Amino acid sequence: DSGVTQTPKHLITATGQRVTLRCSPRSGDLSVYWYQQSLDQGLQFLIQYYNGEERAKGNILERFSAQQFPDLHSELNLSSLELGDSALYFCASSADGGTGDTQYFGPGTRLTVL
Amino acid sequence: LAKTTQPISMDSYEGQEVNITCSHNNIATNDYITWYQQFPSQGPRFIIQGYKTKVTNEVASLFIPADRKSSTLSLPRVSLSDTAVYYCLVVPGSSNTGKLIFGQGTTLQVKP
Repeated sequence: DSGVTQTPKHLITATGQRVTLRCSPRSGDLSVYWYQQSLDQGLQFLIQYYNGEERAKGNILERFSAQQFPDLHSELNLSSLELGDSALYFCASSADGGTGDTQYFGPGTRLTVL
Repeated sequence: LAKTTQPISMDSYEGQEVNITCSHNNIATNDYITWYQQFPSQGPRFIIQGYKTKVTNEVASLFIPADRKSSTLSLPRVSLSDTAVYYCLVVPGSSNTGKLIFGQGTTLQVKP
């Protein structure tokens, strides 16, 4: 158990819909990361937050947005869902968000878009 | 960020030592080498990180030659539960962002 929690574990929805994935970091960690893992693209970095502020952005689609709240939990919002958005979405957290900081990954949310 | 190249798959038997080599020819002076392990449908798990020579922890050893253009993850006496995907990553040593760039990884299959 990494100490990172993600909800829900599974999510099945239809194209065009909007969903919200939630992540609670390990106690004391200030930085949260979101990654997407699909069969054809592998594990891809989406976005990083540090203490409520966006710190780095990867290949995150404009239909996707995220935020980190004052209590440090984070949400990833996916809208206008397409079949290709079906994937495992992982949240990770680390102490201060810098290089060399060990990231602890949550169990993931499996999103299926029908 | 330096690109990494590692074998797509490897097979081993229980009790053997497994060495997975990763090449990173364009590694920068300040970059670190980091390895993560991922079991099916689980998030990646940090294994080990090093800068040069040898690093050892309770799980694995990491060997980095002087030119740092490659590295080798060594797993001693593997068991069936070590069957997983192993990712080699090069992490910038001087950045305030911790984003990780994962390659395709090496799928290790441990057989009885």
